[in-house]
Order: sequence, then structure tokens, then C-alpha cells
Amino acid sequence: DQQVKQNSPSLSVQEGRISILNCDYTNSMFDYFLWYKKYPAEGPTFLISISSIKDKNEDGRFTVFLNKSAKHLSLHIVPSQPGDSAVYFCAASLGRDDKIIFGKGTRLHILP
Amino acid sequence: DTEVTQTPKHLVMGMTNKKSLKCEQHMGHRAMYWYKQKAKKPPELMFVYSYEKLSINESVPSRFSPECPNSSLLNLHLHALQPEDSALYLCASSQVGLLDTQYFGPGTRLTVL
Repeated sequence: DQQVKQNSPSLSVQEGRISILNCDYTNSMFDYFLWYKKYPAEGPTFLISISSIKDKNEDGRFTVFLNKSAKHLSLHIVPSQPGDSAVYFCAASLGRDDKIIFGKGTRLHILP
Repeated sequence: DTEVTQTPKHLVMGMTNKKSLKCEQHMGHRAMYWYKQKAKKPPELMFVYSYEKLSINESVPSRFSPECPNSSLLNLHLHALQPEDSALYLCASSQVGLLDTQYFGPGTRLTVL
């Protein structure tokens, strides 16, 4: 049973526009969420995180929104740049000593 | 230094070979992890070391044997692997535990013939 779901395997966005990557989860006990970015042949790179006590966290061009009632989070990238083309993983954790559960990832293509 | 290094970058081995993957970090992190990633799949957690002690083993077969000689080093010893074990093996570290931001290494691409 998939606890962290990224239902869009891929997404194409025009350069300069907003990219919105979505993630749904089933376990209401998750209290920490993370987004990772991965280029081919490289390890995942941490991007941004959010605690369950917040509904928004912003870092430069990246903003993560959390809707606990809907069990949904999203990553907004604005403006999108060519270097943003990568696979984005959503991940969730139950607490400091629990494991991180990853979604299957969404491949983002930024079009020129 | 915010880097996690892994060696080798690529490894090809037969099913009867014994080999080791190495991971190193000098960020003072006390938690280190091994993940396995198959093509087009998310990373799957294998082992977690916290303060040099194995704290999580995700039911990994015994042909994979982790070792944490000190707080900066993490090894994964491989013996009698199967072709289906071919994957990208990622090492990561974080300050104390799983809730902290994990920094990933570039991975070792393993092929088992």
C-alpha cells in the first residue's frame, strides 16, 4: 500500500512559468514532509521541507504548501528554469526515529 | 564540507565475488543510511546507523552486510549477490536521525553478472 503518492509521472512546463508538483499521503500521523530533486546518475538532493504544524514554507523560488485536511502537499517552483528539469520526490516521515517514505517521483521537463 | 562521497562510482561483480561499497562524510553527522534504487523507482531504505550502531534493518537479505567503523565512514559488504541486486546504491547522512535533512552521495552503480 503506497502511503505517499505522486500521481503524475511527468509534467512539462514552459520556462518562466510556474511548476506545480503534487503529492498525496494516506497516513495522517506523518508529521514531516520533504521534497528531493534528482538528476540522472546522481543521488537525490534535498530541496525543501515542511513540518505538519505549518501550512507553507518558502525558500527562494521554491514554496511547499501543506493541506493537512486533504492530506495533500504541493511544491511550487516559480519562475521555472531549464536547470529545474529533474525528477522530484515527495517524502514523508512519522518522526525523528522513523524512516522516510518516498513517493515514486514526478519527472519535470522545463520547455524552452 | 557538505559532501557525501561514495566509492566506487561503478562496480561490476560476479555472483561469487565479495566486494565492498564505501561512503564517507565529514559533516559531523551521527546518522548514516544505505538506500537501494532501481531504475525509475524511488530510493528504498536498507539500513540506518545512528551513533555508529545499527538502528534499522529493513529486512535486507544477509548477502548485504553493513558496517560503520566510525562516525564518518559507512561500508556495505556484498557477497553472493544475485543479478536482481543490480541497482544504484545510495549513501546518505543526517545530523542525528531520520527527521533531519538527509544529504545523499552520488551513488554506486552496481551490476551483478
